Amino acid sequence: DVKVTQSSRYLVKRTGEKVFLECVQDMDHENMFWYRQDPGLGLRLIYFSYDVKMKEKGDIPEGYSVSREKKERFSLILESASTNQTSMYLCASSSDTEAFFGQGTRLTVV
Amino acid sequence: DQQVKQNSPSLSVQEGRISILNCDYTNSMFDYFLWYKKYPAEGPTFLISISSIKDKNEDGRFTVFLNKSAKHLSLHIVPSQPGDSAVYFCAASWVNFNKFYFGSGTKLNVKP
Repeated sequence: DVKVTQSSRYLVKRTGEKVFLECVQDMDHENMFWYRQDPGLGLRLIYFSYDVKMKEKGDIPEGYSVSREKKERFSLILESASTNQTSMYLCASSSDTEAFFGQGTRLTVV
Repeated sequence: DQQVKQNSPSLSVQEGRISILNCDYTNSMFDYFLWYKKYPAEGPTFLISISSIKDKNEDGRFTVFLNKSAKHLSLHIVPSQPGDSAVYFCAASWVNFNKFYFGSGTKLNVKP
């Protein structure tokens, strides 16, 4: 069974903290994604990666960075967390025709 | 500007009736479309897809229709069940481009 695993289900962080969200997939997919989900805005792409050490900005990259040192792992980094980054964060990996999602991380920045 | 739009944020349907969820897209380059279902506090799960070479794809109670000229697709659920209550996201991509664009979602409530 295919699997995308996010390291935390719930996180609470303070404004200004550096935050790491980790994602691991076991499907040997080249492509991995980070989305955030906000009410009324759907899933917005933050960053995606099409190979190890390769990354591209999505629609809302400001305030975020990513790291892909190994094929199976894609990390999202909030350099200095702010309250407007409170959201549900979803990691995905994809074949040519389907994206598989992790269970999501609900991040609250206080 | 959103390339995939779901203009109905919510839909309420009686159990046993048909649910129709709609989605519009603006980019004529999209050639592959997907529907995902999402329960609260879970990640989205794949439901059904359709390639642009087809205009209909069916999987059990779920059927997706694609109207390329109108840049419109719809998901039909017949008969609707209370367990179908969830948020449904429409997505579009180019095959081999591996980037998925999602709509804002429609929250479906199926009443017993």
